[in-house]
Amino acid sequence: GQSLEQPSEVTAVEGAIVQINCTYQTSGFYGLSWYQQHDGGAPTFLSYNALDGLEETGRFSSFLSRSDSYGYLLLQELQMKDSASYFCAVRAAGNKLTFGGGTRVLVKP
Amino acid sequence: GAVVSQHPSRVICKSGTSVKIECRSLDFQATTMFWYRQFPKKSLMLMATSNEGSKATYEQGVEKDKFLINHASLTLSTLTVTSAHPEDSSFYICSASPEANYGYTFGSGTRLTVV
Repeated sequence: GQSLEQPSEVTAVEGAIVQINCTYQTSGFYGLSWYQQHDGGAPTFLSYNALDGLEETGRFSSFLSRSDSYGYLLLQELQMKDSASYFCAVRAAGNKLTFGGGTRVLVKP
Repeated sequence: GAVVSQHPSRVICKSGTSVKIECRSLDFQATTMFWYRQFPKKSLMLMATSNEGSKATYEQGVEKDKFLINHASLTLSTLTVTSAHPEDSSFYICSASPEANYGYTFGSGTRLTVV
């Protein structure tokens, strides 16, 4: 089976940096993805790591260490619009995605 | 970029009736689509994998006779919630990916309320 752990909530101020950690246990692994979801909306793809290391996309970066079954999403220069839920997800056999419980990020002025 | 269209966005139905939700890949072909269910402030739970031209595969605990999935073409998958009951009220979302290593694109979701 698959299980992913991530913090339930993080609060930070505008301009700050937030790191959301994700640890996983899976029976198969092809990559770790991150998705953003605003209340009432659908998830939107942020990043994907298949190999160890850091992937940078604008203000967001994602890191993966397969040996540690660990990854993180780094949100820099936080903006109010970044208030949302962030999910890590593991791609496994059959291209299925299993999602973590989600981290609610609240950005304060 | 890859676009997945899902309809309807909201539906209210009476107990005992059936509701059909459509999921279309607009600019790519999807041999596989995925259906998720999400409760308020919770994570997305995979319900089933929709396979073009063959039977869907359901996750453990999901009633296949309750949630009928049809994937008749490379761009369309449908989920029918049969004999809906209030406990079926939820947010249903489909997703697909144009490439094996690309991020998945999600439909806008369908909020189902059964009264």
